[in-house]
Amino acid sequence: SQTIHQWPATLVQPVGSPLSLECTVEGTSNPNLYWYRQAAGRGLQLLFYSVGIGQISSEVPQNLSASRPQDRQFILSSKKLLLSDSGFYLCAWKLWGDEQFFGPGTRLTVL
Amino acid sequence: SQKIEQNSEALNIQEGKTATLTCNYTNYSPAYLQWYRQDPGRGPVFLLLIRENEKEKRKERLKVTFDTTLKQSLFHITASQPADSATYLCALYWMDSSYKLIFGSGTRLLVRP
Repeated sequence: SQTIHQWPATLVQPVGSPLSLECTVEGTSNPNLYWYRQAAGRGLQLLFYSVGIGQISSEVPQNLSASRPQDRQFILSSKKLLLSDSGFYLCAWKLWGDEQFFGPGTRLTVL
Repeated sequence: SQKIEQNSEALNIQEGKTATLTCNYTNYSPAYLQWYRQDPGRGPVFLLLIRENEKEKRKERLKVTFDTTLKQSLFHITASQPADSATYLCALYWMDSSYKLIFGSGTRLLVRP
């Protein structure tokens, strides 16, 4: 069966520090991968998605970037965090079916 | 651009009643619409999908309707239970949106025992 992992589960970082969040999927090949951010009490904002290794589509211009170095690995990064980067970050995967499967999320607090 | 609207106010109902949540969208109809459940601090979990050419879908106590004339989907939970308390998100997929689902902001449901 397929599983999706995200780490860390929680993170507290100072403004201006770098960020690296990792997402890995097991039990499937060549999935579409997605990064979302959810602010408190808000909906899901799509940040990046990828349909294959090395292919990244960006949805919002900001100080975040994403990479897909391996088929089932998706990384979200920032060189310098802003206060507005605080939120709940969710990774998701999808195959030929229509539903998306979400990871457990990372709660990021930027102070 | 496409917009999705879900009632931002929480829906508070008595156990055993039917909960009805609304998802409205603008512009043209999506290829399909999905409903997800999200518990606090967790990722959303897929519940149901309804396609453009379908009027209604059911799964156990859940029912989804899709009215392309009104540009609206209704999500019903019959015989609601306190365990149904969560935030419910609708998500729409348009054929020209590549591989992206666009999510609404969700409606929180509270079922009182």
